[in-house]
Amino acid sequence: GENVEQHPSTLSVQEGDSAVIKCTYSDSASNYFPWYKQELGKRPQLIIDIRSNVGEKKDQRIAVTLNKTAKHFSLHITETQPEDSAVYFCAAYQAGTALIFGKGTTLSVSS
Amino acid sequence: SQTIHQWPATLVQPVGSPLSLECTVEGTSNPNLYWYRQAAGRGLQLLFYSVGIGQISSEVPQNLSASRPQDRQFILSSKKLLLSDSGFYLCAWSPGGAVGNTIYFGEGSWLTVV
Repeated sequence: GENVEQHPSTLSVQEGDSAVIKCTYSDSASNYFPWYKQELGKRPQLIIDIRSNVGEKKDQRIAVTLNKTAKHFSLHITETQPEDSAVYFCAAYQAGTALIFGKGTTLSVSS
Repeated sequence: SQTIHQWPATLVQPVGSPLSLECTVEGTSNPNLYWYRQAAGRGLQLLFYSVGIGQISSEVPQNLSASRPQDRQFILSSKKLLLSDSGFYLCAWSPGGAVGNTIYFGEGSWLTVV
């Protein structure tokens, strides 16, 4: 089955800096890679996603890149703000089943 | 629009007691349904998923079970809870019939086994 590794587990940045979170996956058949943000005590919510036929996708300060050959994808947040502080999860769609998630990255943005 | 409801929001149960968490989805038909568990430091662990009534697939062998008695209803159960069952349980749904779709989470249920 699919296995998703996520790094780093914690990330601290200054307001205005960029943050990068990286994930690798094992199943070459996986074709959908979303990112979720979870604030303390709340449900995870989708912030951006990418499909296997696309190499990069941007949405304002957030971007995701995908390298299918290397089986890794990354989340880039530019000009970080304190409200970006949360736990971020990457996921890969395991063919025929469901999304398999990484263990999460706790991002702290200090002002 | 589609909405997902999950209850109860919190519960404290003694070891060995039964469990029932319920989830319903509104505004869509034949959704794919999922149960995930979030324990500290372990991310979001897939427990069960269902593509239709009575069709349940288990990802992790344990003392939990799931049932889908109606198209938009998903239930997570246990006959005897263990301390290790404590965690944040999340029901989720995605549009049925297609692969690789976004999933949408319910508000979650905090379970503490004492």
